[in-house]
Amino acid sequence: NAGVTQTPKFRILKIGQSMTLQCTQDMNHNYMYWYRQDPGMGLKLIYYSVGAGITDKGEVPNGYNVSRSTTEDFPLRLELAAPSQTSVYFCASRGVGTDTQYFGPGTRLTVL
Amino acid sequence: AQSVAQPEDQVNVAEGNPLTVKCTYSVSGNPYLFWYVQYPNRGLQFLLKYITGDNLVKGSYGFEAEFNKSQTSFHLKKPSALVSDSALYFCAVRDAGINKFYFGSGTKLNVKP
Repeated sequence: NAGVTQTPKFRILKIGQSMTLQCTQDMNHNYMYWYRQDPGMGLKLIYYSVGAGITDKGEVPNGYNVSRSTTEDFPLRLELAAPSQTSVYFCASRGVGTDTQYFGPGTRLTVL
Repeated sequence: AQSVAQPEDQVNVAEGNPLTVKCTYSVSGNPYLFWYVQYPNRGLQFLLKYITGDNLVKGSYGFEAEFNKSQTSFHLKKPSALVSDSALYFCAVRDAGINKFYFGSGTKLNVKP
């Protein structure tokens, strides 16, 4: 099993550009999460999903969108990139009846 | 509202000495508590969790944590630190019945030879 995979690993965007961060898990987990990690701030939840077709906002959803058309994939969309979105983004998943989250390796995004 | 506080940005300890990384939490209902570790340029890895039962929980790599309901704390401990334990440690909480997790700001553990 590959676990949770994220692409790309690194990306530099210009202000106003858009992009999609990809996240895929092969563990058949129902729950998936997107977090951003800023220095000294820990992880903040952006969006989460409890299953295909169901998503909900976390603590910091502004400027982001998500979709969950399959159990495996949970892409995160940035429509109009801003410098405040410079961060490291982590995707995580967990199975029904468990509380352990499995994290991907992260995407380091810089907006200039 | 749910929240987690890690009061120390950094903890320094000598190899072989015991270590403690502090965490306090606030939830409306029953807390599910977690510790994760992050090595440089990596994702977070699960260490241990408290859901119910014995207040002392044991996890990976010799780590343990003690749940204290009256003090709303869940401190991470290890009897004898290793240099390889040096990393960033995160405490997290989930309110039972809610699917969101809340993380603390992280504590950098430095173990010196």
